[in-house]
Amino acid sequence: VQLVQSGAEVKKPGESLKISCQGSGYPFPSYWIGWVRQMPGKGLEWMGIIHPLDSDTRYSPSFQGQVTISADKSINTAYLQWSSLKASDTAIYYCGRHDGVSSSLFGDWGQGTLVTVSS
Amino acid sequence: EIVLTQSPGTLSLSPGERATLSCRASQSVRSSYLAWYQQKPGQAPRLLIFGASSRATGIPDRFSGSGSGTDFTLTISRLEPEDFAVYYCQHYGSSLWTFGQGTKVEIK
Repeated sequence: VQLVQSGAEVKKPGESLKISCQGSGYPFPSYWIGWVRQMPGKGLEWMGIIHPLDSDTRYSPSFQGQVTISADKSINTAYLQWSSLKASDTAIYYCGRHDGVSSSLFGDWGQGTLVTVSS
Repeated sequence: EIVLTQSPGTLSLSPGERATLSCRASQSVRSSYLAWYQQKPGQAPRLLIFGASSRATGIPDRFSGSGSGTDFTLTISRLEPEDFAVYYCQHYGSSLWTFGQGTKVEIK
């Protein structure tokens, strides 16, 4: 199993951004993919989750309306996007493949994508 | 929404010592939905324990998890140099995934 995320990004406030997470080594459409934020020097925050088979998506209340999660099962890729970045979006963003009972845990992780938002 | 509180915030120990990390939930949770992760600087988290007490594939047996209800524990029986890291507990419930704030295990 491998999850490969897109590279680091440097953006200005107000710009849009879409980062990606490509899975391989397992049946990508069959497993939920989640996104987790880690702000500089801080802990892990669950943002949301998508099932690539039907694009069923759930968001943390803290991130609802702030980001959009999507997926393209034809290329085994999930996405996290912002329409208007803020400086406070500066963080490392991880994708994770959900596994276990009721997809309750993150069995595998991407390497992370550093997003820096600065004027 | 369930809140997970980890303690202590930082644990200062020497290699070979035993580490005991606590994760307390704001209400009773299903043990089957409680996991622990290890994160080293510059790396993604790694799954250690799932179902409160089952080790993930490839995890050494010096790592063990226990607990039920609102109180869960991760124990590292004898710390190896590579075990100094930050540890997070995580819970799933009602379509929400929640992490504790983390415990840093540092070299004394």
